[in-house]
Amino acid sequence: ETGVTQTPRHLVMGMTNKKSLKCEQHLGHNAMYWYKQSAKKPLELMFVYSLEERVENNSVPSRFSPECPNSSHLFLHLHTLQPEDSALYLCASSQGGGSSYEQYFGPGTRLTVT
Amino acid sequence: GEDVEQSLFLSVREGDSSVINCTYTDSSSTYLYWYKQEPGAGLQLLTYIFSNMDMKQDQRLTVLLNKKDKHLSLRIADTQTGDSAIYFCAVTKGNAGNMLTFGGGTRLMVKP
Repeated sequence: ETGVTQTPRHLVMGMTNKKSLKCEQHLGHNAMYWYKQSAKKPLELMFVYSLEERVENNSVPSRFSPECPNSSHLFLHLHTLQPEDSALYLCASSQGGGSSYEQYFGPGTRLTVT
Repeated sequence: GEDVEQSLFLSVREGDSSVINCTYTDSSSTYLYWYKQEPGAGLQLLTYIFSNMDMKQDQRLTVLLNKKDKHLSLRIADTQTGDSAIYFCAVTKGNAGNMLTFGGGTRLMVKP
C-alpha cells in the first residue's frame, strides 16, 4: 500500500464511450502524474501536475484529458478511444521541491478498448 | 533524446546474487531510481542514488553508478522467490526531478 489509490482497477469501454479514471493520494504530495504502460513500450509519461502547473507529453492524443482539482486528486477523462489505447494507466505522486522527487505509484487501471 | 536500456530477462537460483544492469544516455541526470513491479501491481520504489554518489547500499540491495560509462546496476543479495518481478531503471531528465525516463524493464525469475 503506497498511499496512492486508483479507481477503477479494470475498465472495458467501447470506442464511442466516455469514461474517467480517478487517482487519489494520501501522502501530502504536491505533484501528480499519469503514465501509460503498454506491453511493448517503456513506461510513458503522459501528464504532470506540479504546484498547479501542468506539463504534458506532446505526443499524447487529445482524446486523453487530465484534470487536477486539488493536490490530492487527479482524473484522466477518456473519450473516443482507439484499441491501441488499451494499456495499464498508472498514477503517481511526489513531493516536488524535495530532495529526491521519489514518485510513488498507484496499482493502476487496466483499460481495454473494444 | 533520452534513452534508457535494460536487458529483458534474468534468471537466477534462490540464494544467489542477482545483478540487473541499466545504461542511459543523459549524462546530466541527477537522480537515478530502481522500481519493482509485481504482476497486477503498480511500481514500487526500491531505492535511488544521487549522481554524485557511486554506491548506495540498503539491506540486500546495492546500487552501483558509473557516471563515466553511464551505467547503473542493482545487485540483490541472497535472492528469494519473492524477488521475482520486473525491475525498472529510471533517470531524471537532467535536474528536472519531476520528469523521468524509464527503461523497458528486466524480468527477474528466481528458481527454487
